[in-house]
Amino acid sequence: DAGVIQSPRHEVTEMGQEVTLRCKPISGHNSLFWYRQTMMRGLELLIYFNNNVPIDDSGMPEDRFSAKMPNASFSTLKIQPSEPRDSAVYFCASSPGATNTGELFFGEGSRLTVL
Amino acid sequence: DQQVKQNSPSLSVQEGRISILNCDYTNSMFDYFLWYKKYPAEGPTFLISISSIKDKNEDGRFTVFLNKSAKHLSLHIVPSQPGDSAVYFCAASAGGGNTPLVFGKGTRLSVIA
Repeated sequence: DAGVIQSPRHEVTEMGQEVTLRCKPISGHNSLFWYRQTMMRGLELLIYFNNNVPIDDSGMPEDRFSAKMPNASFSTLKIQPSEPRDSAVYFCASSPGATNTGELFFGEGSRLTVL
Repeated sequence: DQQVKQNSPSLSVQEGRISILNCDYTNSMFDYFLWYKKYPAEGPTFLISISSIKDKNEDGRFTVFLNKSAKHLSLHIVPSQPGDSAVYFCAASAGGGNTPLVFGKGTRLSVIA
C-alpha cells in the first residue's frame, strides 16, 4: 500500500518566490496534518483538516502561509512570498480518524531551503 | 509553551545495553502517548504507544512506562542495537485519531558498537 506521498522532496528557492508543497494522504484516511520541523522548535503543527475541512490553523506562522485541501486525496501548503526563516522540513501526515490511538502516518517530508 | 518536553537532546549508549529516553508533559488532558522514530531524510514512523489507563506497554525490545502522577513517560530499549540509532520523538494526544499529536523536540540516540 502506498503511504503518504509528498512532493517535491527538496526545494531550493530564492527569497520572495512562491513555494507550493504537495501531499497525497493514504487512501481512506480522513484527517490530514501539516507539520514543520526545525532544529529550534522540533516538530510543530501548522494546520490540520478533518474531512477536507480546516479545523485549526493557529500554527500557521503568518499570512504568507496558506493550505488547502480541495478533495480527500490532495492537499497543498503554499508560502508566498518565501523568506530564509521558512527553511525547514515540512511533513504531511494522515490519520484514519477511526481509531482512538492518535497514530499519524507521515510522508518523507519536503526539505525547503530559501536563499 | 511546550506541552511535551524531551530534555535530553542526545544520548549515547553501548550496543547491548539499555537505552532510556525520557519525556515530560504538562497537559492533563492528554490521554494517549506515542513514541516515533526518525531516520535522516525519512518521515517519523510510529514505534509504540500507551494509553493513559495503563502504566506499561511492551513490544519486543521496546517498553514504554507512564507515570501519570509525575506526568512522565519513558521509553526503554533493551538490548540496544546500532540500527536503533535515530531521533526519537515523544508525542501526546488528547482526543483520538482526528486530533493532532503534540511532539517533543526529540532525542538523538546513538548506539555504539
